Amino acid sequence: DTAVSQTPKYLVTQMGNDKSIKCEQNLGHDTMYWYKQDSKKFLKIMFSYNNKELIINETVPNRFSPKSPDKAHLNLHINSLELGDSAVYFCASSAQLAGVYNEQFFGPGTRLTVL
Amino acid sequence: SQQGEEDPQALSIQEGENATMNCSYKTSINNLQWYRQNSGRGLVHLILIRSNEREKHSGRLRVTLDTSKKSSSLLITASRAADTASYFCATGTNTGNQFYFGTGTSLTVIP
Repeated sequence: DTAVSQTPKYLVTQMGNDKSIKCEQNLGHDTMYWYKQDSKKFLKIMFSYNNKELIINETVPNRFSPKSPDKAHLNLHINSLELGDSAVYFCASSAQLAGVYNEQFFGPGTRLTVL
Repeated sequence: SQQGEEDPQALSIQEGENATMNCSYKTSINNLQWYRQNSGRGLVHLILIRSNEREKHSGRLRVTLDTSKKSSSLLITASRAADTASYFCATGTNTGNQFYFGTGTSLTVIP
């Protein structure tokens, strides 16, 4: 049973296209995240989201938008893809206890290649 | 930047030796976490240490935290070839629900 799953695992697309990456967690967590990992392995948080608030990293272009149909899902939609968007995107989730966010559980990643 | 920074960037040791990785950060934290990432995989949580703790153990892992120096270290004892991976620290702040990762230490354990 996969705790955090992402689809697709690989995504190859042309510049200018719009694409979505899906994420689902079955851990009952109330907070989900999207991270971008570049070729140098730097892992940058893009969004964190729970049923109360969306926190957006200010450096993320507004072409990126998270969409959460329910607590178990946080999808990432990307408009007008650019070459620099090529990276591995990770979804993660965590539980909040007494106002503190604890360990995160990561999905397997989606490798996005923009041609 | 709020991200953590791991040191060294790369570390190569013989099986059986100990591996020590360091993490420095810049802001006040609520907790600090270490993660492992095997090639082509997602990150796996190893250990969490809270800001009021100084040392924590889990199996062959030992983590220390010095909040006055804003630094943490991860020690892996009696390393195994299977420990070959990248190791990241992540800092959780007192406000908000965001974590900031460093660029990782790439550990290679030679059998």
